[in-house]
Amino acid sequence: GESVGLHLPTLSVQEGDNSIINCAYSNSASDYFIWYKQESGKGPQFIIDIRSNMDKRQGQRVTVLLNKTVKHLSLQIAATQPGDSAVYFCAENISGGGADGLTFGKGTHLIIQP
Amino acid sequence: NAGVTQTPKFQVLKTGQSMTLQCAQDMNHNSMYWYRQDPGMGLRLIYYSASEGTTDKGEVPNGYNVSRLNKREFSLRLESAAPSQTSVYFCASSKAQSHYEQYFGPGTRLTVT
Repeated sequence: GESVGLHLPTLSVQEGDNSIINCAYSNSASDYFIWYKQESGKGPQFIIDIRSNMDKRQGQRVTVLLNKTVKHLSLQIAATQPGDSAVYFCAENISGGGADGLTFGKGTHLIIQP
Repeated sequence: NAGVTQTPKFQVLKTGQSMTLQCAQDMNHNSMYWYRQDPGMGLRLIYYSASEGTTDKGEVPNGYNVSRLNKREFSLRLESAAPSQTSVYFCASSKAQSHYEQYFGPGTRLTVT
């Protein structure tokens, strides 16, 4: 069954605002948490990952926060642009799980309003 | 670099027909994967190949077979297609030491009537 879930299936934000996409997980044995972006008609694209021993990691315009106490993961996108419109998946990698250790959530559709 | 390529992009099959989906990567990755993606659901792992010469079942292997032809190529075969196999199929690859960072192909949209 799903051990990775998302709070909202659709998120609508104004262009230029910050976006926050949330994700809950249940497996305490996960060693990496990952965000993927999937644009319409394309395959998922790796955005950023965070190790379980970290609580924050920043990339270019994106920040991922990990709260292990409440098993919560979020992706923050600064100054959202039309090109950010996509479905965002969180995923968790089970420690020692090998090549089949990655589990994907169902995804959140981010819609950018002009 | 082309990354991960998949053929065909679209396919329509009748129930009972067979076909092979092709996948190739030019990143010298050891591990390759086949996923299916159904509406409203995340990606589900069908089969994977952790390294050349090995293949293993994922979450939903029934009705499929795979072949790791060489380090670059990993094919997925449907021997007798069923309507339940209507889906979008994605191939992915990764380095052996970072399975969580996977590179995906553009997908094959398969419809079984």
